[in-house]
Amino acid sequence: KNEVEQSPQNLTAQEGEFITINCSYSVGISALHWLQQHPGGGIVSLFMLSSGKKKHGRLIATINIQEKHSSLHITASHPRDSAVYICAVRSGSNYKLTFGKGTLLTVNP
Amino acid sequence: SAVISQKPSRDICQRGTSLTIQCQVDSQVTMMFWYRQQPGQSLTLIATANQGSEATYESGFVIDKFPISRPNLTFSTLTVSNMSPEDSSIYLCSVEDRQVPDTIYFGEGSWLTVV
Repeated sequence: KNEVEQSPQNLTAQEGEFITINCSYSVGISALHWLQQHPGGGIVSLFMLSSGKKKHGRLIATINIQEKHSSLHITASHPRDSAVYICAVRSGSNYKLTFGKGTLLTVNP
Repeated sequence: SAVISQKPSRDICQRGTSLTIQCQVDSQVTMMFWYRQQPGQSLTLIATANQGSEATYESGFVIDKFPISRPNLTFSTLTVSNMSPEDSSIYLCSVEDRQVPDTIYFGEGSWLTVV
């Protein structure tokens, strides 16, 4: 069974700070997703990674397959970045996703 | 890309009643899923909605409690039957786009509170 652990569970930052959220998993995967969940409950896909690094605007996601670890970075954080960030992994050819519990990020002005 | 419309977005339900959640996608999709997210917990897959056949349920979820319909490739419903306070959760519809491998989309979620 693949376990997905995220840290920290909660994170409070001041506007402009550099943010890092971590995700570790226990078995080999074919893909890792970073998701953003807004207070109303809707979820948006930010990145899909199978190796290396991706960047979109102020967001950067990296993955280390050997260490079974991924990080999501937010540069120059802003209050509108406040949300729950969720890591989800897909193992091999299994279409099912395993989700972390999420990291609640609050960015104060 | 796929745009998912899910409703209701929020409801307060009486114990013992049933509620049906609708999920409408703006394009035909092969894979459609229903998830539950209990307070403070991660998303848990309830079932895969199969077009034209019975849904495939995950361990711990049964058809009598969570009947699912999928009459075509753009629409599905999830019913939460005989609700109890333990069913208070966010329920999310999700689809995957086989045209763009490993791309996933979620609806806005249906936040149910059972009193």
